[in-house]
Amino acid sequence: AQTVTQSQPEMSVQEAETVTLSCTYDTSESNYYLFWYKQPPSRQMILVIRQEAYKQQNATENRFSVNFQKAAKSFSLKISDSQLGDTAMYFCAFMKRGGAQKLVFGQGTRLTINP
Amino acid sequence: EAGVVQSPRYKIIEKKQPVAFWCNPISGHNTLYWYLQNLGQGPELLIRYENEEAVDDSQLPKDRFSAERLKGVDSTLKIQPAELGDSAVYLCASSLGGPAIQQETQYFGPGTRLLVL
Repeated sequence: AQTVTQSQPEMSVQEAETVTLSCTYDTSESNYYLFWYKQPPSRQMILVIRQEAYKQQNATENRFSVNFQKAAKSFSLKISDSQLGDTAMYFCAFMKRGGAQKLVFGQGTRLTINP
Repeated sequence: EAGVVQSPRYKIIEKKQPVAFWCNPISGHNTLYWYLQNLGQGPELLIRYENEEAVDDSQLPKDRFSAERLKGVDSTLKIQPAELGDSAVYLCASSLGGPAIQQETQYFGPGTRLLVL
């Protein structure tokens, strides 16, 4: 079975700062995907960024980027130039590749961006 | 393009009462998922469908929970009878289905918050 661990229950930074959220996972699978989702107080889970495990290049989406270390089973999220709208719960998730598999989520990190 | 639609958004019931949640996935998405999210935790899968077939319901408490996806589009999740511990958020997600990450990415609805008194 796969497990995902987010070791930072809460984080808080000032607007415009850069923040990194940690995520580690455990799996014996070689073919999988990793995701970061955000869940603002309104509750809708929104995709932030995704990474294919077989790709060495780290994914980027505007201000969001990941540091994917496959051997270390680490998948951290970096948010640059943080904005008030980035305030949310952030979930790291693992999914086996192939056949519409389930997402396995971490416990989440509550991120607060202060003005 | 419309996202995943869920209703109701909120539901308050007394224990032992039945309750049902409805989900309409993104148009063209073949795979549909129901997740349970307890307060302060990540979602956990209850059941997933490929078209109208339930391909993984191992985490669904079948003594009180049931689900269906008629015609491979909309889905309904039911609890009967509800217990105090069922208070949580019930999330529906859908994906296109296919071999690429774009097709396997899941998109979520707003969820239904259930409170059992």
